[in-house]
Amino acid sequence: DAGITQSPRHKVTETGTPVTLRCHQTENHRYMYWYRQDPGHGLRLIHYSYGVKDTDKGEVSDGYSVSRSKTEDFLLTLESATSSQTSVYFCAISEGTGRDRGYEQYFGPGTRLTVT
Amino acid sequence: DAKTTQPNSMESNEEEPVHLPCNHSTISGTDYIHWYRQLPSQGPEYVIHGLTSNVNNRMASLAIAEDRKSSTLILHRATLRDAAVYYCIPFQGAQKLVFGQGTRLTINP
Repeated sequence: DAGITQSPRHKVTETGTPVTLRCHQTENHRYMYWYRQDPGHGLRLIHYSYGVKDTDKGEVSDGYSVSRSKTEDFLLTLESATSSQTSVYFCAISEGTGRDRGYEQYFGPGTRLTVT
Repeated sequence: DAKTTQPNSMESNEEEPVHLPCNHSTISGTDYIHWYRQLPSQGPEYVIHGLTSNVNNRMASLAIAEDRKSSTLILHRATLRDAAVYYCIPFQGAQKLVFGQGTRLTINP
């Protein structure tokens, strides 16, 4: 199994408070991703990183920011949590990306976030 | 994004083979076909991927049609642990995997 951990695994927070989720990998993979999963929507990409300090937005990035200061850690921050951000958040890693290899992604166990 | 069509659900018996179909008629010539599965209350799990030739690994086999417009994931001897939602995803070399609704596989003891 790929070495990916997420913390916390469960969190309940109040509307308007900041929240940071952490993804940690031991595989030394270049690419890291944050997805959210909601009923009826499947998994949707929030942000991804293609190297230390290199990040880009996904399809549902509003209200989220990310940081990657080390290869192994990718942080997702909700600056001011809202009830619409109640979801399960998955981190994923990939060795690379590109048409020549079709690199697979490996997912963490998820963080269940509830915003009340 | 290439569009995929998978059955909403399938059912099989333990220790029998399972063939999970996927149609991806709009796939481009250089897209890989990825399969992932998601067990209850877990993150998605990579299963297998291929480009043109059939592929085998310890989890499954992937049979790709000659015209690449469809593929079939084969679980040779299903176990109860194989009960999950299976996703077929054409990978376009972009930075995201696009998950559709997938096929919910039920395994009967």
